Amino acid sequence: EAGVAQSPRYKIIEKRQSVAFWCNPISGHATLYWYQQILGQGPKLLIQFQNNGVVDDSQLPKDRFSAERLKGVDSTLKIQPAKLEDSAVYLCASSLVVDTEAFFGQGTRLTVV
Amino acid sequence: QKEVEQDPGPLSVPEGAIVSLNCTYSNSAFQYFMWYRQYSRKGPELLMYTYSSGNKEDGRFTAQVDKSSKYISLFIRDSQPSDSATYLCAIPFPPRAGANNLFFGTGTRLTVIP
Repeated sequence: EAGVAQSPRYKIIEKRQSVAFWCNPISGHATLYWYQQILGQGPKLLIQFQNNGVVDDSQLPKDRFSAERLKGVDSTLKIQPAKLEDSAVYLCASSLVVDTEAFFGQGTRLTVV
Repeated sequence: QKEVEQDPGPLSVPEGAIVSLNCTYSNSAFQYFMWYRQYSRKGPELLMYTYSSGNKEDGRFTAQVDKSSKYISLFIRDSQPSDSATYLCAIPFPPRAGANNLFFGTGTRLTVIP
């Protein structure tokens, strides 16, 4: 079974630029999550989707972050404009449904300079 | 006060040693407790989860919860070099077994020396 796919693996941008990350969850998984993991910290949930609807985005900085999951499959996370403190690994995870084990992708490492 | 506190280490042990990894938490309403393992440049993977107090064993790994002191532990027996990774405790809230709003600890980096 293929795992959660994320791209790109690495991205370096200048502050105030925009960036987008892509996630393809495990086939058939209805629930999709985006987490932010700053160096030396544990992951923090940014947004959770159930199919193509948002379940929880309470910790998403909506002034600069946006996410969508069109057709309930792939998802994109966008940052515009980026700040230095956005430097982190952005992890996508998916689960069959809510309340089942979530499987994480390898993440996208973002460096904002 | 953070929801979950974890000693970041790093922790370095010889092969075959018993490893003890620990977290404390603040909310007595927490019911499920998880341990994730994260290899370098990989995403976290669920290692074990327990419900309420008590012990749960899986091979060389034992997860222990003491709700009276809000303390959770992961023990690794006969540690192997392949156990070298960062170990993260995590607690879901609302208290369900899924990943909805997981509070993660900072992670403890473990190195097992051959």
